[in-house]
Amino acid sequence: AQKITQTQPGMFVQEKEAVTLDCTYDTSDPSYGLFWYKQPSSGEMIFLIYQGSYDQQNATEGRYSLNFQKARKSANLVISASQLGDSAMYFCAMREGGGGGSNYKLTFGKGTLLTVNP
Amino acid sequence: DAGITQSPRHKVTETGTPVTLRCHQTENHRYMYWYRQDPGHGLRLIHYSYGVKDTDKGEVSDGYSVSRSKTEDFLLTLESATSSQTSVYFCAIRGQGDDIQYFGAGTRLSVL
Repeated sequence: AQKITQTQPGMFVQEKEAVTLDCTYDTSDPSYGLFWYKQPSSGEMIFLIYQGSYDQQNATEGRYSLNFQKARKSANLVISASQLGDSAMYFCAMREGGGGGSNYKLTFGKGTLLTVNP
Repeated sequence: DAGITQSPRHKVTETGTPVTLRCHQTENHRYMYWYRQDPGHGLRLIHYSYGVKDTDKGEVSDGYSVSRSKTEDFLLTLESATSSQTSVYFCAIRGQGDDIQYFGAGTRLSVL
């Protein structure tokens, strides 16, 4: 079974509107972390936002927020006020086990290609 | 900027030849990772390192080896390149006490 599932291969949004990119995860570990990365057409991987499994509040970073629903095992990325520069591939990822100083690996989803239309 | 440099950035090679990709970091990070990215697969972990001479396998390690003889360099070697190893390779680092992995710019490898 896939550990990270991104069900939307592609999404379209109008400039200045909000968009939600879906991510569901599968783990039995009580300690885990969820990440979103952006990959523009230039190819680099850019870290956007992080949510720990024990965090009480949803993470926010500027126009990015992570809608964390633990019981549903979902970690959707919400981008508010979309901009043309938000057009990119977006990846959801998870680490299982203790974070901080302990060793861990990231498992990535297959990504969602977001296109922002003017 | 996490101070990560990958070299080369692009390489074309022939089947059966050895290839080494280098990841260099300037900020003394303990943890380093090698991923490959293929269409329809996202990023998949090849090998990772948690210190000098301490390495372990990831999800897709067959056909790859790594070495880390000093903190700043993590080398990925394809002993005998195959066409299935045509991919984009990313190196990443993570600092002690930090949950975030930061990526290098990637190396595009074509095996003909």
